[in-house]
Amino acid sequence: QVTLKESGPVLVRPTETLTLTCTVSGFSLYTSRMVVSWIRQPPGKALEWLAHIFAHDEKSYSASLRNRLTISKDTSKSQVVLTMSNMDPVDTATYYCARIDMATIVVDSWGQGILVTV
Amino acid sequence: QSALTQPASVSGSPGQSITISCTGTSSDIGTYNLVSWYQQYPGKAPKVIISEVSKWSSGVSNRFSGSKSGNTASLTISRLQAEDEADYFCCSYAGDKTFLLGGGTKLTVL
Repeated sequence: QVTLKESGPVLVRPTETLTLTCTVSGFSLYTSRMVVSWIRQPPGKALEWLAHIFAHDEKSYSASLRNRLTISKDTSKSQVVLTMSNMDPVDTATYYCARIDMATIVVDSWGQGILVTV
Repeated sequence: QSALTQPASVSGSPGQSITISCTGTSSDIGTYNLVSWYQQYPGKAPKVIISEVSKWSSGVSNRFSGSKSGNTASLTISRLQAEDEADYFCCSYAGDKTFLLGGGTKLTVL
């Protein structure tokens, strides 16, 4: 069974850096066609893709947030880490990690999400 | 990259059909047959219902169907039921290993 679980602070102050960790199980971060992504959803608003990382460590970032985001992974711990710098109240959102099948562009598994308030 | 455009809300009565549109550009929906649709209940993570424009996900009712014309993808729900009341959003590949999400549509079953 594929599971993803987000962890990190639920409250950060403006200008601080947010660090979120996604711990996965039921699949390997070495799986070539799967990527782990971070997606966020402000309260009552639309989902927004932030970043993802491939098995071979290639990374992609949202153009609008590229300068503030860093995604990395620790395969031995089955973890994907997202950092977002210079947090602002508009960054208040539920942050999800999710698995995407890049062959079909289907988000086939989601974490429960973590609400981060700035 | 702008989000894909969806109507903010749609509504219908039980038994009716509704269609939710998802408009992109020639760089995403118009080029790739990699559009998926998701259903999300309040406080829950989204669930995929349609992939690759028109393929049902496992366990999804055939009352849901997907299609695409030009730069616009559509999700049609036929024989509307109360349990269909949820938020729906689309997703499309946008090239260069990136993708776009729709703004989401709230479906109200009257």
